[in-house]
Formats: sequence, structure tokens, C-alpha cells
Amino acid sequence: TQLLEQSPQFLSIQEGENLTVYCNSSSVFSSLQWYRQEPGEGPVLLVTVVTGGEVKKLKRLTFQFGDARKDSSLHITAAQTGDTGLYLCAGAGGYSSASKIIFGSGTRLSIRP
Amino acid sequence: DAGVTQSPTHLIKTRGQQVTLRCSPISGHKSVSWYQQVLGQGPQFIFQYYEKEERGRGNFPDRFSARQFPNYSSELNVNALLLGDSALYLCASSLMTVSYEQYFGPGTRLTVT
Repeated sequence: TQLLEQSPQFLSIQEGENLTVYCNSSSVFSSLQWYRQEPGEGPVLLVTVVTGGEVKKLKRLTFQFGDARKDSSLHITAAQTGDTGLYLCAGAGGYSSASKIIFGSGTRLSIRP
Repeated sequence: DAGVTQSPTHLIKTRGQQVTLRCSPISGHKSVSWYQQVLGQGPQFIFQYYEKEERGRGNFPDRFSARQFPNYSSELNVNALLLGDSALYLCASSLMTVSYEQYFGPGTRLTVT
């Protein structure tokens, strides 16, 4: 069974601090996506990484795909209160089913002003 | 351009009843996937449809079924509702590229009493 584990589950930091969220699996994925979800809404796609070792930047957010395509990280620089939300990673194209997308359980991020 | 739309937004049903949820994908997207998200967890994959054919199925009982129409919209049906079926049901559409990028609707909040 493919699993994606996210850590930490909860994170509360002061505005202006840096943070890193991790997404780990024992399975290889063809691609990995990061989403942000607000309460009562659907997840919003932030980025997709496809190549092992790939690094993508989205303003203050930096995403990295592990060399073996089994893990990923999300780093936020100088966090702002608007970054508060549930961050989800999702792996796709694993060995068991090309059409199954596996989500992690999420990291709930709270940025204090 | 309109995003993914879902109806209804909220629904209250009693145990044993049946429910039908609807989803319209982004124009040009031929793939629709359904997810169940229980409070505090990441979305769990239920089904994926592409060109009206089922392409993937998650670990859900046969009470869950779905179909995709010629206009690529989709319905998710759940029979013999249980209290544990209470969740946010999310629909996502995609172009079925190698990156598996998905775009989610706002979800349908189902409460079973």
C-alpha cells in the first residue's frame, strides 16, 4: 500500500519566521503535487514536481522533489499570516496504479501576527 | 473561465438513504476524479474517470459508484448511507498529462444523521 507521510502535522510560528514541511514515502512517484486548502474549500494546486532533484520556487515558497522521487519538501521564507492553511502533498503515477493519486494527511500551518 | 463546479454545496441525509453528487469539470478537461475528505485528514481517492470510462478505483465499498457523461460531467452515487460517510466530497478535473495536475471544486459537504 502506498502511503505519504507529512510532518509535522501541526505547526504554529510567528510571522517572519522560516519553516519546512516534509512529505515522505517508501514508494516512487511519477510526479508530486503540493496543494493548499482553506476551511470548507477544495485544495488549490501550488506546484507540481516531476523530475528527481527538481527545485521550484513560487515567491517565498520553495519546493523540492527528492532525487529518488520518493519524498518532497516545502520551505516557506518569512512566513506571513496569509500563509495559514492546510498544506497537502499528493503523489501520482506510482507503481500500483497510474490513475491513483495518493494524498498525505496534511500539515496544518498557523502563522501568528 | 469557470473552474470545477459541484452541486449541491451542502446535503443532509439519514442513514440508509441514497445520495447523488454532481460535478462539472473545467472546459477541455476530460478526466474527473472523486475524493472523500474526512475532517482532519487528507482526501482519499474514490474514482477516476476519463473519456467516460473508469480508470481508477480506491478502497471504497460497492455502495459507492460513479459515471461520466458525454459532456465529461460526472455523478457520484452513494447507497445505503452510513454515519461514517459524512465528509467533504471533492471533485477534481485534469487534462490527464504525465504530471497528473488536478484542479478541485469547492466540494459537497455531506452530513449523515
